[in-house]
Amino acid sequence: DAKTTQPPSMDCAEGRAANLPCNHSTISGNEYVYWYRQIHSQGPQYIIHGLKNNETNEMASLIITEDRKSSTLILPHATLRDTAVYYCIVISNAGGTSYGKLTFGQGTILTVHP
Amino acid sequence: DAGVTQSPTHLIKTRGQQVTLRCSPKSGHDTVSWYQQALGQGPQFIFQYYEEEERQRGNFPDRFSGHQFPNYSSELNVNALLLGDSALYLCASSSGPAHEQYFGPGTRLTVT
Repeated sequence: DAKTTQPPSMDCAEGRAANLPCNHSTISGNEYVYWYRQIHSQGPQYIIHGLKNNETNEMASLIITEDRKSSTLILPHATLRDTAVYYCIVISNAGGTSYGKLTFGQGTILTVHP
Repeated sequence: DAGVTQSPTHLIKTRGQQVTLRCSPKSGHDTVSWYQQALGQGPQFIFQYYEEEERQRGNFPDRFSGHQFPNYSSELNVNALLLGDSALYLCASSSGPAHEQYFGPGTRLTVT
């Protein structure tokens, strides 16, 4: 699976959009970008995933660059409850023995301020 | 619809002892994965159970073993506990082996 690089921490004002970047320059053609977050004292929570097209769901939007070497998770109107560690994971959806084996890095600590 | 549940919530053990952690998957899920999360680190994959068999394993010693029951619930066993085994142990479930997983709240294990 491709290696990912995320900033260790970011701040955001409540009500503003939070844009969390992730670099994955070695991503291969069959690898997806997954985002999870972990609120303090809870288990990780799946947010969204994508291959090459932009994706949106009720929680967030995922923008993947055309060359797929980086992506941005967007929380359109951040609230205090969005304060968490956000993990970007690149992993193949091609099946095989590693299917479902998530590899978490250090993630980005997002702090939303009032 | 119950989510993933884990028991116990907290546990304190002594070096050398054995521990069993339990996980019930989200309703409708048949696959359980276990992760270890040390303080300040991201979760690390231990192993995954599907169809009552260990399907894949991370870089953990044989002291870590598991089991999946016919009702899809799972146990994680750790023998000969070391101080370094102190961590949050997370269980995640999915419908088949999948990257979209639902995590439980974890069991905090402290080894003294």
